[in-house]
Amino acid sequence: DADVTQTPRNRITKTGKRIMLECSQTKGHDRMYWYRQDPGLGLRLIYYSFDVKDINKGEISDGYSVSRQAQAKFSLSLESAIPNQTALYFCATSVGASGGLGDTQYFGPGTRLTVL
Amino acid sequence: RKEVEQDPGPFNVPEGATVAFNCTYSNSASQSFFWYRQDCRKEPKLLMSVYSSGNEDGRFTAQLNRASQYISLLIRDSKLSDSATYLCVVQRLTGGGNKLTFGTGTQLKVEL
Repeated sequence: DADVTQTPRNRITKTGKRIMLECSQTKGHDRMYWYRQDPGLGLRLIYYSFDVKDINKGEISDGYSVSRQAQAKFSLSLESAIPNQTALYFCATSVGASGGLGDTQYFGPGTRLTVL
Repeated sequence: RKEVEQDPGPFNVPEGATVAFNCTYSNSASQSFFWYRQDCRKEPKLLMSVYSSGNEDGRFTAQLNRASQYISLLIRDSKLSDSATYLCVVQRLTGGGNKLTFGTGTQLKVEL
């Protein structure tokens, strides 16, 4: 079974609709992240959470909100979807940097969202 | 200027060839460096970290040049299965914690 799962895997919706993307992990990691990936722009951080009570904005948080329901669950909401939010969304987890080893990201399989 | 820049490619190489990718970063405070691999329509996965002294993992060699602020990835004896997009990732410490910046990726196509 995958360590990081995302639902749904694909979603087509209309402008103005509220959408929730869900992420669950069995890795036991405290840190969770939401990214979006667009052609030519790479992965960009939307929100991140270092534990259940900690939520932080990333570089492109406008138009999005998140909820960390438990250590293992981190959901991303688009309150009123717009076409330029069409993208591939990834959830990721990490254990946190230690000893200069870096903060390796473990990604879920992604959610392909299309906003018409 | 982007914080992390990569040649998007594609690099089309025959099986067995040696291919090298470079990545430049703009922030001299960057501390840690990585290469991730992303297959088409799949999630990125860590390929290897990049250490100051350079490091090797089988057919893959990563180098870091802090003075010139670039990272390289060398793949020897390319296999068809190496076809993927390779993402350069740079990490630095900010007031909000560690910040990872992903490059847009270099696409590699290994052909028969």
